[in-house]
Amino acid sequence: DTGVSQNPRHKITKRGQNVTFRCDPISEHNRLYWYRQTLGQGPEFLTYFQNEAQLEKSRLLSDRFSAERPKGSFSTLEIQRTEQGDSAMYLCASSSTGAISYEQYFGPGTRLTVT
Amino acid sequence: AQSVTQLDSQVPVFEEAPVELRCNYSSSVSVYLFWYVQYPNQGLQLLLKYLSGSTLVKGINGFEAEFNKSQTSFHLRKPSVHISDTAEYFCAVPQMDTGRRALTFGSGTRLQVQP
Repeated sequence: DTGVSQNPRHKITKRGQNVTFRCDPISEHNRLYWYRQTLGQGPEFLTYFQNEAQLEKSRLLSDRFSAERPKGSFSTLEIQRTEQGDSAMYLCASSSTGAISYEQYFGPGTRLTVT
Repeated sequence: AQSVTQLDSQVPVFEEAPVELRCNYSSSVSVYLFWYVQYPNQGLQLLLKYLSGSTLVKGINGFEAEFNKSQTSFHLRKPSVHISDTAEYFCAVPQMDTGRRALTFGSGTRLQVQP
C-alpha cells in the first residue's frame, strides 16, 4: 500500500492556459474523489467516481472543469482556460467499498497557482 | 444536510499542555464523524473516526475524541501536546442522510504549539 499519489505537486500557469492533474488511488480502492481547498478553508467536494463511472459532481465543478477515470484506476482533472480564482490546492482521495467506505484517504495534493 | 462547525479558528497552546479542539455537528440521522490533520503543504491524514460503538475514540499520535450525542459534539483532545502537533485540524462528516459519499469539512482549527 503506497498511498494516494498526485502529480504534479505544484503547477504554476498563466491565466487562460489549460492544466491537467493526475491522481493514482490506493490500488484496491474503487472510489475516487476530488476536492478543492483554498487558503484558510477546509476542502470542498468537486466530484466522485466509483470505478470508471462519475457518479456525483458538485456545482463547484464548472464547465471548464472535467474529470475522467477511464479504466477505473487513475484519474485526471483538467481545468480549461484557467482563471486566477482557480488557484487552490486540489486534493484527491480514495476509499473502498463497504460500511467503512466513508473513510477516505488523501493524497498530498497539487497546488495550482494561476498568474 | 449534515454539517460540522469548528468553533475556533486558531488555538495557541504551550508545549506539554493539554488541548481541546471543538467540533459540533448537525444531523438528523445516524452520523459518522472524522478528524483529519493537515501539516503545511501536505494532504490530509486521518487522525481518528467515530462510526458506532464506544463514544470515546482513540486515534494516532495520542489524540482522542468523544462523541456526545446530547451536545452534538465531537471534540478532539490531547493531554500533552508537542511542537510537532502544530498543524491544521479538520472535522468532517459524510452526507449519510442523502447517501452522498462526499465529506463535508469544517473550516479548520490551526493548532499552534509554542515552546
